[in-house]
Amino acid sequence: ETGVTQSPTHLIKTRGQQVTLRCSSQSGHNTVSWYQQALGQGPQFIFQYYREEENGRGNFPPRFSGLQFPNYSSELNVNALELDDSALYLCASSQPGQGEETQYFGPGTRLLVL
Amino acid sequence: GQQLNQSPQSMFIQEGEDVSMNCTSSSIFNTWLWYKQDPGEGPVLLIALYKAGELTSNGRLTAQFGITRKDSFLNISASIPSDVGIYFCAGQLTYNTDKLIFGTGTRLQVFP
Repeated sequence: ETGVTQSPTHLIKTRGQQVTLRCSSQSGHNTVSWYQQALGQGPQFIFQYYREEENGRGNFPPRFSGLQFPNYSSELNVNALELDDSALYLCASSQPGQGEETQYFGPGTRLLVL
Repeated sequence: GQQLNQSPQSMFIQEGEDVSMNCTSSSIFNTWLWYKQDPGEGPVLLIALYKAGELTSNGRLTAQFGITRKDSFLNISASIPSDVGIYFCAGQLTYNTDKLIFGTGTRLQVFP
């Protein structure tokens, strides 16, 4: 069974640029959730995708957007990067409808905005 | 963003000691989860709790879902150096794929 994978592992961007982060869900999981983890904080929910549709969103501005593909992999796009966007971005996959589902996390993408 | 109250913030203990940390919320949760995160890694699921009052063990780890559904605790017995890391509680308001609301984390250091 393949776990959750994310790419790239690290990324450096400058203010105003755009970034795309990628996530492959665990085998058999059709739901992907994205979280932002600032240094020294717990992860904060950005949004979730289920069957290629957004299925819930946290308190993040519209410049944070996402996609989910037919193979259930997902992208997180952030436009007009700000310094405060520097964080570890985590994706987690899960499979609803099979009882006690839980979310399994990937290793994250560390984004630094200069 | 919303975060759960988790305590203590950090712990420095000697190898072999037992550890206890807890998490409280003003909201009722239907699921409580405990994760461990190592530097530069994503959180790894340790224990999942789905019913109020439930007590679940995973090796040296034991966690309980509070009866009020607003709190949970995690105990680690006979700590070892590889227990070092940051422990996060997380709650879900509804079942299955609802967003996780995380605690502020407990940083654990274990000295030989």
